[in-house]
Amino acid sequence: NAGVMQNPRHLVRRRGQEARLRCSPMKGHSHVYWYRQLPEEGLKFMVYLQKENIIDESGMPKERFSAEFPKEGPSILRIQQVVRGDSAAYFCASSGSAPGELFFGEGSRLTVL
Amino acid sequence: DAKTTQPNSMESNEEEPVHLPCNHSTISGTDYIHWYRQLPSQGPEYVIHGLTSNVNNRMASLAIAEDRKSSTLILHRATLRDAAVYYCILKRANNAGNMLTFGGGTRLMVKP
Repeated sequence: NAGVMQNPRHLVRRRGQEARLRCSPMKGHSHVYWYRQLPEEGLKFMVYLQKENIIDESGMPKERFSAEFPKEGPSILRIQQVVRGDSAAYFCASSGSAPGELFFGEGSRLTVL
Repeated sequence: DAKTTQPNSMESNEEEPVHLPCNHSTISGTDYIHWYRQLPSQGPEYVIHGLTSNVNNRMASLAIAEDRKSSTLILHRATLRDAAVYYCILKRANNAGNMLTFGGGTRLMVKP
């Protein structure tokens, strides 16, 4: 049973370009959570999604960032017009509907030149 | 969710037990105590969780104070692979979803 899959694992973008990070949850999981970890800092919650719905986006920056979890396919975190401060590791986690643990992916590391 | 307080870092010798403390003086009756750890360059992984009683699993033990204002994660025999940042997190039982709020955690260093 494959775990949470994130890709790409590493992404390099120049300032002003777009970054798209993908997350496939564990089989049977319909809840996805995105976290950001800046260098040498802790994990910060960004957004929580269920299939086709955003449940909580209280941690998302107001501009340039968006997330979706379509009926079919992976969840996508999209960052438009990236800036150097967006350089970070972005982690996706998934869970089932019942209370329980979060399963995290290996992360996508974005570097903005 | 209520706040937790952990030491920034701790050191341990390999093959010795490690006790990682966590204070949560404002814990409510419906808050579960969760522990996750993050190995270098990896995503966090679940370690253990509990509500009132002490808990044991293959990875660790969780000792919860009688008043629930503190808890201790116990690694019975530290290995080099246990070097990680350990996060103590409170999660309210009636919160929507399984979202967690991570604090700074304790960086555990294991010496050979």
